[in-house]
Amino acid sequence: QVTLRESGPALVKPTQTLTLTCTLSGFSLNTREMSVSWIRQSPGKALEWLALIDWEDDKFYSTSLRTRVTISTDSSKNRVVLTMTNMNPADTATYYCARSVVKGPFDFWGLGTLVTVSS
Amino acid sequence: ETTLTQSPAFMSATPGDIVNISCRASQDIEDAMNWYQQKPGEAPLFIIEEATTLVPGITPRFSGSGYGTDFTLTIHDIESEDAAYYFCLQHDNFPYTFGQGTKLEIK
Repeated sequence: QVTLRESGPALVKPTQTLTLTCTLSGFSLNTREMSVSWIRQSPGKALEWLALIDWEDDKFYSTSLRTRVTISTDSSKNRVVLTMTNMNPADTATYYCARSVVKGPFDFWGLGTLVTVSS
Repeated sequence: ETTLTQSPAFMSATPGDIVNISCRASQDIEDAMNWYQQKPGEAPLFIIEEATTLVPGITPRFSGSGYGTDFTLTIHDIESEDAAYYFCLQHDNFPYTFGQGTKLEIK
């Protein structure tokens, strides 16, 4: 059974760096053609794709956020980490991770984790 | 970047109705359009892939149509359980982009 679970702080202060972890179950990035993305949804706004990492460790980033966002995996390739620097209140959102196959659409999503940026 | 314009933002339907939700792409994305359903507290559910293909396990009351720039999600014989937020996603090119979403209310 494929599942993804996001974890990380619920509250960060402005200018801090956010680190979120996506724990994979039922698949890993050791498997050919697998990819994992991070996506966020700010209150009242459309979903926004942030970054993708694939089984070959190739990485793709949102044009608008590429200077602030880094995506990586741990050595087991069962966890995908998102770091976002210089957080500000506009980054308050629910952050999701999701799987795709061969960089296709997202077939499985996590439940998301709400991150609030406030002093 | 491909902009997706989804409409309407909100709609209300009665059980038994047929509902159409539109997603228009700012450039040709062939059939790289996908639809999702999301209910409060749940992960988004993948319902239509590649514009017209029903994801396995999804009720056939859902269908998708379109190609190129204009796409439609149709829900036939609306039921109360269809009350949810629906959104479209294009995966033709990076960055992947989403429609603004449609909140569907069942009377």
